[in-house]
Amino acid sequence: GENVEQHPSTLSVQEGDSAVIKCTYSDSASNYFPWYKQELGKRPQLIIDIRSNVGEKKDQRIAVTLNKTAKHFSLHITETQPEDSAVYFCAASEGKLVFGAGTILRVKS
Amino acid sequence: DAGITQSPRHKVTETGTPVTLRCHQTENHRYMYWYRQDPGHGLRLIHYSYGVKDTDKGEVSDGYSVSRSKTEDFLLTLESATSSQTSVYFCAISEPQETQYFGPGTRLLVL
Repeated sequence: GENVEQHPSTLSVQEGDSAVIKCTYSDSASNYFPWYKQELGKRPQLIIDIRSNVGEKKDQRIAVTLNKTAKHFSLHITETQPEDSAVYFCAASEGKLVFGAGTILRVKS
Repeated sequence: DAGITQSPRHKVTETGTPVTLRCHQTENHRYMYWYRQDPGHGLRLIHYSYGVKDTDKGEVSDGYSVSRSKTEDFLLTLESATSSQTSVYFCAISEPQETQYFGPGTRLLVL
């Protein structure tokens, strides 16, 4: 089955800097790659997603890139703000979602 | 937030007792899922349903059963709770091949 690895497990950045989180997946049949943000005590919420027929997608300060050949995808957050502090999860799906273990992002002001 | 509720939101129970968690949706989505969330493991799929009375196992299904008798309700049962089932449980819904939306979660403590 699918296996998703996510790095780093924790990331601290200064406010205004960029943050990058990387994920690799094992199943070449996976075709959908969402990213979720989870604040403390809250539910995971979708922030951006990408399908396998697209290499990059951007939504304001957030972008996701996908390299199907290398089987990895990344989340990029530019101009980070304190409210970006949360746990971020990547996932890959060829029908069922398989999640990475999560990245704790801390934005220091 | 999508129209998903979970009940109870918090529960403390003793080892060996049965526990049922309920997920209720008002979105009429075909797929429903149960996940557990534990530190260092992300979200792991327990069971899912692709229609009324149609369910299948996820990666951590041992010790859990599910039922879906109506489109809007998906029940997760722990037949005999164990301390290893202490976790936060999330329900999610989706249409086929579409985004999953999560419920608010249930915190379960098994003593």
